[in-house]
Amino acid sequence: AIRITQSPSSLSASTGDRVTITCRASQGISSYLAWYQQKPGKAPKLLIYAASTLQSGVPSRFSGSGSGTDFTLTISCLQSEDFATYYCQQYYSYPWTFGQGTKVEIK
Amino acid sequence: QLQLQESGPGLVKPSETLSLTCTVSGGSISSSSYYWGWIRQPPGKGLEWIGSIYYSGSTYYNPSLKSRVTISVDTSKNQFSLKLSSVTAADTAVYYCARRPVAPLTNAFDIWGQGTMVTVSS
Repeated sequence: AIRITQSPSSLSASTGDRVTITCRASQGISSYLAWYQQKPGKAPKLLIYAASTLQSGVPSRFSGSGSGTDFTLTISCLQSEDFATYYCQQYYSYPWTFGQGTKVEIK
Repeated sequence: QLQLQESGPGLVKPSETLSLTCTVSGGSISSSSYYWGWIRQPPGKGLEWIGSIYYSGSTYYNPSLKSRVTISVDTSKNQFSLKLSSVTAADTAVYYCARRPVAPLTNAFDIWGQGTMVTVSS
């Protein structure tokens, strides 16, 4: 199975900050990577697929980049509603696998 | 607007079989454009893909669970189901059902159910 290493596991930031989360795949996955946001007690919400394509309705302050093994999720100007846990997921090959998650907390 | 809703017992005894159903509303499970899947999340932990099914009945399972998992589809009821046998406390989790498009590169999980908590305990 492809391992996804996500970092950091948590971070503290303030409203207005630029935040970057990274995922590294144990082997090349082309652009078959998605990013999800999960708030406590809620299901994950798809933010980005194909590494850099914004899901419909997702604010443009979210962006994704990368291909192959290294990927980045950037939140350009953190808003209060962005404090949540973020997961990446590869869907290049079965079994689909997720990163361990990054919890974005208020500083 | 398509919605998914999980249902099933919230408490299962060790060694028994966990059974959950996902009901799809606002759209057809028989669409050739989508797979339907199950993902779980133990309390305070990350996400684990369990398996997926196509409306035709083709299935894909996580090898880590394959010997215990069965996913089936009932197109007449617009539902798909999960059975996980021989459960232990390690199977305690929130179980989500989700949809993913068939088309390559777009096939991330784009619509999720709200999730249902299943506890394995005697």
